[in-house]
Amino acid sequence: QSALTQPASVSGSPGQSITISCTGTSSDIGSYNYVSWFQQHPGKAPQLMIYDVSNRPSGVSNRFSGSKSGNTASLTISGLQAEDEADYFCASYTSRNSVVFGGGTKLTVL
Amino acid sequence: QLQLQESGPGLVKPSETLSLTCTVSGASINSGSSYWGWIRQPPGKGLEWIGAIYYTGTPYYNPSLKSRVTISVDTSKNQFSLKLSSVTAADTAVYYCATHGFSGLRPNFDYWGQGTLVTVSS
Repeated sequence: QSALTQPASVSGSPGQSITISCTGTSSDIGSYNYVSWFQQHPGKAPQLMIYDVSNRPSGVSNRFSGSKSGNTASLTISGLQAEDEADYFCASYTSRNSVVFGGGTKLTVL
Repeated sequence: QLQLQESGPGLVKPSETLSLTCTVSGASINSGSSYWGWIRQPPGKGLEWIGAIYYTGTPYYNPSLKSRVTISVDTSKNQFSLKLSSVTAADTAVYYCATHGFSGLRPNFDYWGQGTLVTVSS
């Protein structure tokens, strides 16, 4: 199965908003509202930030939001902070009863 | 608090079988409330879902790895395990165990182990 497509990098200044896209197919993102987003700092395990397209786990800042349109999901981070600098990965359930991840996006806070 | 811990050899020879175990504490695999998964990350690269298992022993595999992967569960020890056969250097990665977040096979991985680096080299 092919990885979901994410931009390799995005950047923004403190206080700004950024959006990371995640493009799949009609066999994954397009067919299910089962998209998650993860934040990963260097040397750490990933942390769940968004699940089921737009839901935030308890403890995750409301500056993080998710959405989906067609075969593309998006993660928006508003009010950028230095601590948001990390790698971000999307993931989706697929029609093959499996999970596929995106290639990851490196967020730089300028 | 649910915790997961990976264990196993950090070095495996090419063509041999990689074997890892994930020990779960703070919850019972037998409860049936979650699927238990394996995910890997080659150095400097992205995440790849390897597969998952339910407490009944029913496994689910990444189609790309299915021919080489076996995931099993030992409810008496509250552990689940991964075997990956015929390894090559491309299988060098940090291997994580994680829960599917009490939501079937949805990718709601809310608890992760710390990860263990497995290097394939002679």
